[in-house]
Amino acid sequence: GDSVTQMEGPVTLSEEAFLTINCTYTATGYPSLFWYVQYPGEGLQLLLKATKADDKGSNKGFEATYRKETTSFHLEKGSVQVSDSAVYFCALSDPGNFNKFYFGSGTKLNVKP
Amino acid sequence: DSGVTQTPKHLITATGQRVTLRCSPRSGDLSVYWYQQSLDQGLQFLIQYYNGEERAKGNILERFSAQQFPDLHSELNLSSLELGDSALYFCASSLRTGGTSTDTQYFGPGTRLTVL
Repeated sequence: GDSVTQMEGPVTLSEEAFLTINCTYTATGYPSLFWYVQYPGEGLQLLLKATKADDKGSNKGFEATYRKETTSFHLEKGSVQVSDSAVYFCALSDPGNFNKFYFGSGTKLNVKP
Repeated sequence: DSGVTQTPKHLITATGQRVTLRCSPRSGDLSVYWYQQSLDQGLQFLIQYYNGEERAKGNILERFSAQQFPDLHSELNLSSLELGDSALYFCASSLRTGGTSTDTQYFGPGTRLTVL
């Protein structure tokens, strides 16, 4: 079945450091891939998405590339800010399965000034 | 603001009780999804409705039920509550229910349920 695995946290970085959060997936069909972010006390917000292989999603300085050959969708940002501190969820959706979403376990990012 | 609303924001109740959580999807969205987020189990998919009909079920307990009404709002009913049901409950909505293309899910702010 479909599943998502992402690196465990917490990840602690200093401001302006480079960020990578790894995400790999298993899917039977042709999924779309997403990164959501959850700030403290809030719901999940869509950060970026990619709907087919080699697509790159980007938003707010974050990027992720849909790599079918390695079944990965790693999240990267060149220079993190304190305001990026949040929990990041990788997810996949299989349109052939009623758009059901499968979420990773979440990675907490702490950015220190 | 995602456009998805959930009420109430917080709910405190006792074991054995029954509660109803309400969700209004984004304008025009036909699909509604319910998720449970607890500290130790991450985000768990519970159930999905599309235009009033149940479309997919996840890890939803028999004590829990949901429905989607003709105006497309949805309610999640939790009964015979246990301490372990304390969690954040999120509703999400999307335009369609899959098929040939994927829809993005937009999440509400959640309802925090505390069972004492």
